[in-house]
Amino acid sequence: KNEVEQSPQNLTAQEGEFITINCSYSVGISALHWLQQHPGGGIVSLFMLSSGKKKHGRLIATINIQEKHSSLHITASHPRDSAVYICAVSPFGNQFYFGTGTSLTVIP
Amino acid sequence: NAGVTQTPKFRVLKTGQSMTLLCAQDMNHEYMYWYRQDPGMGLRLIHYSVGEGTTAKGEVPDGYNVSRLKKQNFLLGLESAAPSQTSVYFCASRPGTGYEQYFGPGTRLTVT
Repeated sequence: KNEVEQSPQNLTAQEGEFITINCSYSVGISALHWLQQHPGGGIVSLFMLSSGKKKHGRLIATINIQEKHSSLHITASHPRDSAVYICAVSPFGNQFYFGTGTSLTVIP
Repeated sequence: NAGVTQTPKFRVLKTGQSMTLLCAQDMNHEYMYWYRQDPGMGLRLIHYSVGEGTTAKGEVPDGYNVSRLKKQNFLLGLESAAPSQTSVYFCASRPGTGYEQYFGPGTRLTVT
């Protein structure tokens, strides 16, 4: 069973487009995380949120706890945004559950 | 601060060989995790530790052992490597309060 589902799996966009990646989860959580994994393989944390909305530069993350859903938006996308974006949740415990990731390619 | 480091970065093993992957963090974090990442699958938890001297099994622990003798180090051992253990292994750590994880750069392991 997958506690975390992401969509779409793959996404190609033209530079400048507005991008949305969705994440749904099935367990109660204390926090939801958006991670970025570049082609080189390293994973960095973009956002951690438990309610509402957070913004960092051109990236916006929202979460609806009642609907168990989160979205990651990228405004004015750029080729350097090309990466795999991973949604993860931390239930009320020590472990994390991860989605399979959304592979984003932004074409100049 | 180096953050989270992993040694080695790449390794090729023959079936049946053993090896140890080292994860080190200099942030004084309580929690440490070992994950494996396979194509088409999300990161899966192998083992984790909630503090020095403690370890616990995750989702896919079979074939692996771990030790956390020092707070800053978390070792992942493969006693008898199998081709099914070909994967990219990530270590992560987080503080005792708060849930943000910090990841190492990964170790690409191939078992032939």
